[in-house]
Amino acid sequence: GAGVSQSPSNKVTEKGKDVELRCDPISGHTALYWYRQRLGQGLEFLIYFQGNSAPDKSGLPSDRFSAERTGESVSTLTIQRTQQEDSAVYLCASSLVRGSEQYFGPGTRLTVT
Amino acid sequence: GENVEQHPSTLSVQEGDSAVIKCTYSDSASNYFPWYKQELGKGPQLIIDIRSNVGEKKDQRIAVTLNKTAKHFSLHITETQPEDSAVYFCAASISAASKLTFGTGTRLQVTL
Repeated sequence: GAGVSQSPSNKVTEKGKDVELRCDPISGHTALYWYRQRLGQGLEFLIYFQGNSAPDKSGLPSDRFSAERTGESVSTLTIQRTQQEDSAVYLCASSLVRGSEQYFGPGTRLTVT
Repeated sequence: GENVEQHPSTLSVQEGDSAVIKCTYSDSASNYFPWYKQELGKGPQLIIDIRSNVGEKKDQRIAVTLNKTAKHFSLHITETQPEDSAVYFCAASISAASKLTFGTGTRLQVTL
């Protein structure tokens, strides 16, 4: 079946502009995660959605970052007033509730000029 | 919070040789330890995982060992092939459905 999809695959934006990144999880997966991967580094957790529970936002680096998810479907990650240090690959993953692994999408490469 | 360290950052082996990547973690509550392979331009893909109730798990040429007392776990790839060349990440969490804390990655290069 279809895996996790993300759009756009690449995004170039000017410093100070807002951007929206989209993630479509695997159908039926109730958990959804956003991670950030800076060049040559590991993945940093940003935010986690689980069903209708309050999201775990503990990884968001500043109040310029926010994310939404409608039910168990698509999620959007919004970065306001982008800065050059926001340049990274933003990865989305989804998983079933109990005991199964996280499946990652291909990521969105964000470049802030 | 959890902290995961991964070594080495780069590893070059000849085709057919074995490769070993090691990780340590800090949070004794962590119970789930997956390994991901990331090829250029793609998202990470799970290749093997281990839970704290076992010490070793094997899947064909890939094996993972876990020492909970010492808080370290390792990935072993035997009979390496050129297609094994990629960046490998270890991770730790309290369960498979929890947020993962990743190591910084190991770039594995398998040479002919």
